[in-house]
Amino acid sequence: NAGVTQTPKFQVLKTGQSMTLQCAQDMNHNSMYWYRQDPGMGLRLIYYSASEGTTDKGEVPNGYNVSRLNKREFSLRLESAAPSQTSVYFCASSANEPTAKNIQYFGAGTRLSVL
Amino acid sequence: KQEVTQIPAALSVPEGENLVLNCSFTDSAIYNLQWFRQDPGKGLTSLLLIQSSQREQTSGRLNASLDKSSGRSTLYIAASQPGDSATYLCAVRPPGAGSYQLTFGKGTKLSVIP
Repeated sequence: NAGVTQTPKFQVLKTGQSMTLQCAQDMNHNSMYWYRQDPGMGLRLIYYSASEGTTDKGEVPNGYNVSRLNKREFSLRLESAAPSQTSVYFCASSANEPTAKNIQYFGAGTRLSVL
Repeated sequence: KQEVTQIPAALSVPEGENLVLNCSFTDSAIYNLQWFRQDPGKGLTSLLLIQSSQREQTSGRLNASLDKSSGRSTLYIAASQPGDSATYLCAVRPPGAGSYQLTFGKGTKLSVIP
């Protein structure tokens, strides 16, 4: 019963490097989300995908790109990492059907440090 | 813009005590409100979800209430245990079809002392 799986769990980058954070869910959910969590700031939405084939910006999209590869997978890409992107990144998914009440299920997170 | 506030930021109680965590939001036009638990180094786990038309939800020792008109929710934990130690976050969802984005509070870190 995997739920939402994120890879990698930890990553250290140098400023200017690029990387892709991977997320996959096995609950057949329509919607997927990427959040970042910073001390004193709470969780902030970066991008979301309401359904396969669509993506939309959240509160803090600058410096990120996303791809909804298929219904299961939603990736987050940092093209040129900056120290300000040091954070814990969470992926989440939800069913978004009338009876599902939009409960979001979260992955364990990716801890990213940009030096 | 919706803002969600949780007070206090941290709370320490002795085991067995009943406690209340508070959540307030600035825009009463919400679809639902969720309470989550986050353990150190882990992701979030949904505890309770209250629809905007509901007043409360219960799960075991947890009871969440919602007063939408005043922009407040509380999470009541009965007979607290050391295993309840975690950070508790509330989040609100705006109304409208396709509005799935949650706005989170910064959380209350709870420590239950044996």
